[in-house]
Amino acid sequence: GEDVEQSLFLSVREGDSSVINCTYTDSSSTYLYWYKQEPGAGLQLLTYIFSNMDMKQDQRLTVLLNKKDKHLSLRIADTQTGDSAIYFCAETFLNTGGFKTIFGAGTRLFVKA
Amino acid sequence: DGGITQSPKYLFRKEGQNVTLSCEQNLNHDAMYWYRQDPGQGLRLIYYSQIVNDFQKGDIAEGYSVSREKKESFPLTVTSAQKNPTAFYLCASSLQGAAYNEQFFGPGTRLTVL
Repeated sequence: GEDVEQSLFLSVREGDSSVINCTYTDSSSTYLYWYKQEPGAGLQLLTYIFSNMDMKQDQRLTVLLNKKDKHLSLRIADTQTGDSAIYFCAETFLNTGGFKTIFGAGTRLFVKA
Repeated sequence: DGGITQSPKYLFRKEGQNVTLSCEQNLNHDAMYWYRQDPGQGLRLIYYSQIVNDFQKGDIAEGYSVSREKKESFPLTVTSAQKNPTAFYLCASSLQGAAYNEQFFGPGTRLTVL
C-alpha cells in the first residue's frame, strides 16, 4: 500500500544546515508537504512542492524532489534552537474515490546550542 | 480569526468510560479529520468526513465513533471498546477534494486513561 517513510531522529549544531529526508511509494502524487509540530501542539504547514517541480526555496527552507527515486528532502539553513521540533513529510495522491493525503511518522530534530 | 479549536487540552478518564473530544472550525472547510498520535508512530487516521452527515473510517476506527451534524463540528467519541486510548488526538480540516490538500490542525487533546 501507499507509504511515506522518514528517519525518526536528527541532531545538528546551531548554525549548521539540517537535511530531513523522506521517501514515498505512490507515483501519482500531486503535492508533497512538510509540516512542523512544536511540543504539545498541532501541525503547521511549513512548505509544499508541486509534483512536477524539483526544487522550491523559501527563505531558509529548500525542498528538493526527486520523482524518479520518490525522494523528498527539506534543508534548513542556519538551523536555530527554535527549529527544534518534529517535521512531518506528507503527500497527496489520486486514489479510488478521490484524493488522499498520508503522513510520515515524523523526524524529531534536535538543535544543540 | 479563522481557525480550528479542540477542547479540552487535557482529558482524564477512568477505564470503561466513554469520552467525547470536541473539534470546531470556522474556516468553512468541508473536510474534517481525526488523527491519533503515539510516540514514533506519526499520525494515524481514525475517521474523516468530506461533507455534513457523512463520514468514513480511517485506518484505526475500531473503538471510536464520530458524528458530523454541522459543517463546523466533528466530535470524536472514544468508547470503552478502545483498548489503548491513551494518546494525543489531533483534529484537522481542509478544502474538500482538492489535489492541493493543506490540512489545518487544532492544538490537540491529550487523553489519559487512569
